Amino acid sequence: NAGVMQNPRHLVRRRGQEARLRCSPMKGHSHVYWYRQLPEEGLKFMVYLQKENIIDESGMPKERFSAEFPKEGPSILRIQQVVRGDSAAYFCASSQAGLGVNEQFFGPGTRLTVL
Amino acid sequence: ILNVEQSPQSLHVQEGDSTNFTCSFPSSNFYALHWYRWETAKSPEALFVMTLNGDEKKKGRISATLNTKEGYSYLYIKGSQPEDSATYLCATNSGGYQKVTFGTGTKLQVIP
Repeated sequence: NAGVMQNPRHLVRRRGQEARLRCSPMKGHSHVYWYRQLPEEGLKFMVYLQKENIIDESGMPKERFSAEFPKEGPSILRIQQVVRGDSAAYFCASSQAGLGVNEQFFGPGTRLTVL
Repeated sequence: ILNVEQSPQSLHVQEGDSTNFTCSFPSSNFYALHWYRWETAKSPEALFVMTLNGDEKKKGRISATLNTKEGYSYLYIKGSQPEDSATYLCATNSGGYQKVTFGTGTKLQVIP
């Protein structure tokens, strides 16, 4: 039973390019969360998705960032026209359906570097 | 917006020493408290999840307690080892809501 998978593990982009980060949740999990870790900071919530729905995107920057979790396939975090300040580690976590304790399982992260 | 605070931000202890750190959170509408262990260059790994006031959980030399009335949890490490060096994160979700709010973590370094 594979854990949460993220790819790529490392991504380098030049300013103005687009970055696409992928997250495949654990088998049986239908809830996905994206977090960002800026240098010298902790984990900051970005967005929470269920299949085909964005539940809470209160942590997402209003511009250039979007997320989706289609019926088939991985969740995608998309950053358009990247800037140097987007350089960070982006972690995805997943949990099982339903309300409750909501233990989240984390992927290994994608480290984005913007040149 | 939940405000989850952890203290201290960082600490250094000698191998063999026991240590503890604190997570404080709003006690109103509490649902669950999570502790994670996060090693450098790895992903956070769940240690404990607790829901009831007075809960105590233990895993090897690591244990945690929960006080939901006053809004705090302690994590204890007995006889610290170098491999315990990591950042320890706590997080809480309120009202059964799926969104979990993390504290900024306590970075522990155990000196051999």
